[in-house]
Amino acid sequence: NAGVTQTPKFQVLKTGQSMTLQCAQDMNHNSMYWYRQDPGMGLRLIYYSASEGTTDKGEVPNGYNVSRLNKREFSLRLESAAPSQTSVYFCASRLAGVPYEQYFGPGTRLTVT
Amino acid sequence: AQSVSQHNHHVILSEAASLELGCNYSYGGTVNLFWYVQYPGQHLQLLLKYFSGDPLVKGIKGFEAEFIKSKFSFNLRKPSVQWSDTAEYFCAVVFNNAGNMLTFGGGTRLMVKP
Repeated sequence: NAGVTQTPKFQVLKTGQSMTLQCAQDMNHNSMYWYRQDPGMGLRLIYYSASEGTTDKGEVPNGYNVSRLNKREFSLRLESAAPSQTSVYFCASRLAGVPYEQYFGPGTRLTVT
Repeated sequence: AQSVSQHNHHVILSEAASLELGCNYSYGGTVNLFWYVQYPGQHLQLLLKYFSGDPLVKGIKGFEAEFIKSKFSFNLRKPSVQWSDTAEYFCAVVFNNAGNMLTFGGGTRLMVKP
């Protein structure tokens, strides 16, 4: 099993450009998540998908959109990138139910200039 | 709003020293508790978790944590650290069985000197 995979690993954007971060999991997990990691702030939840066909906002959803394409794939889109979106983005997934542990992908380091 | 605090942002230890990293949360109800580790350049990995039962939880690589409900704490410990434990450690909490909302602390960066 590859677990949770993310593409790309690195990306540099100019302000105003758009891009989509891709995430896929092969563990047959129901729920998937997008986080951003900023120094000293831990990880903050952007959006999540509790199950195929549903998505919900997390703590910091502004400036982002998501699509749960199927059970395996969950993408994060930046429509008009801003320097404040410079961060490391992690995708995660988990099975339904307890004990709620999540499995993380390797991350995408995004720089917006 | 519920929150998770890790008071030590940076810790530097020599090999064989004992480690204790603090984690406190601000909620008196049901909690599920996790410690994750992020080695340099890698993704987060689960070290250990507490869901119910024995409040002293043992995880991988010799780590353990103790849930003290009265102190709202879930501190991570290791009796003797190694250079390979150099990493960033995150405490995370699910409050009130809201399984989709995992709240992270700010992280503690541990450096172990050989």
